[in-house]
Amino acid sequence: DTEVTQTPKHLVMGMTNKKSLKCEQHMGHRAMYWYKQKAKKPPELMFVYSYEKLSINESVPSRFSPECPNSSLLNLHLHALQPEDSALYLCASSREGLAGGEQYFGPGTRLTVT
Amino acid sequence: AQTVTQSQPEMSVQEAETVTLSCTYDTSESDYYLFWYKQPPSRQMILVIRQEAYKQQNATENRFSVNFQKAAKSFSLKISDSQLGDAAMYFCAYRSAYGGSQGNLIFGKGTKLSVKP
Repeated sequence: DTEVTQTPKHLVMGMTNKKSLKCEQHMGHRAMYWYKQKAKKPPELMFVYSYEKLSINESVPSRFSPECPNSSLLNLHLHALQPEDSALYLCASSREGLAGGEQYFGPGTRLTVT
Repeated sequence: AQTVTQSQPEMSVQEAETVTLSCTYDTSESDYYLFWYKQPPSRQMILVIRQEAYKQQNATENRFSVNFQKAAKSFSLKISDSQLGDAAMYFCAYRSAYGGSQGNLIFGKGTKLSVKP
């Protein structure tokens, strides 16, 4: 099973709201990732968790806050977002930490900030 | 720094025919992985095929095959017997075999493939 699940599928939020995106995998992968994808563009890496520790933060604004409660779960907490943050947010996981191995992607959460 | 270039923003193929998507990359590393990902309009990114740099044999997955030319740093994807369901954005991606931030996926800009019935 190579499934990564994400909830919700769609999210509309105002600039003053607080919301969270959730990602889950049960493949025993030890690395999990958050990406942001704008229309017709490749995904842009935001965060990487390796063995449940934040190992990469690609200079993402503090209004995005990741959390990895356990090896299967990854959350992205959102607060005071801007309209330009509207995008598809993808979660991915891979088998071996940061070195090598393919990443498996979830279906994404389509976020609209109004 | 590594880069991935997809020089064809859009491609079109007739159903049942063969199409080749191009990808070139630049790296000074000797050990790495290359991938083709497919993202249909329904948006989920799906791994199509994977190639390890130390393997000379070209990877094949059913109707999908690659032409991996390590010296030329070229990694093209061939889709045989194209089907309507192959219509998607295709991303070529590079990943170092070494750890740390070098292990991040580096994507090309993508090629949008249309399949005509």
